[in-house]
Amino acid sequence: AQTVTQSQPEMSVQEAETVTLSCTYDTSENNYYLFWYKQPPSRQMILVIRQEAYKQQNATENRFSVNFQKAAKSFSLKISDSQLGDTAMYFCAFLGSGGYQKVTFGTGTKLQVIP
Amino acid sequence: DAGVIQSPRHEVTEMGQEVTLRCKPISGHDYLFWYRQTMMRGLELLIYFNNNVPIDDSGMPEDRFSAKMPNASFSTLKIQPSEPRDSAVYFCASSLGPRGTGELFFGEGSRLTVL
Repeated sequence: AQTVTQSQPEMSVQEAETVTLSCTYDTSENNYYLFWYKQPPSRQMILVIRQEAYKQQNATENRFSVNFQKAAKSFSLKISDSQLGDTAMYFCAFLGSGGYQKVTFGTGTKLQVIP
Repeated sequence: DAGVIQSPRHEVTEMGQEVTLRCKPISGHDYLFWYRQTMMRGLELLIYFNNNVPIDDSGMPEDRFSAKMPNASFSTLKIQPSEPRDSAVYFCASSLGPRGTGELFFGEGSRLTVL
């Protein structure tokens, strides 16, 4: 079974600074998908960024980028120019490439952006 | 599209009562998921459906929990009888599955409190 580990329960960053959230996972599959989801205090979870394991290039979405290290099974999220609206819980998630659609989530990192 | 719609947003009930949570997935999505979120256990997948058929219900805690999907636009999660330890936020999500990017689209959640 796949596992996803987020070792930082809480983090804080000054507004406009850069912060990196860590995620490691364990799988025997060669192809899969990794995600970062954001859950603001209002509760609804939304996708931040997605990475396909067969792509070597790291995904980027505006201020959000990932550092995907397949051999190390590491998938960190970098937030540049942090904004107050980035304050949220961030969840790392794993999905295998077969038809089975169970997404495994990490325990989350609570990020506080400080003005 | 209106997104995934859940009701009720909040439910407070007494131990032993029946609770029914409802979900309308995004039109055209043929996968539907029920997740439970607690501080202790994070996000747990309870069950997921593909084309209205339950595929994996291994996360359903016990026989007190049941889920149905009578048609492509409606699903229910029922707890009978409810217990205080069922207090949690219950999320419904839908996706295109392998036809899409694997992204889950979440509803706003139903916060359940069992007294």
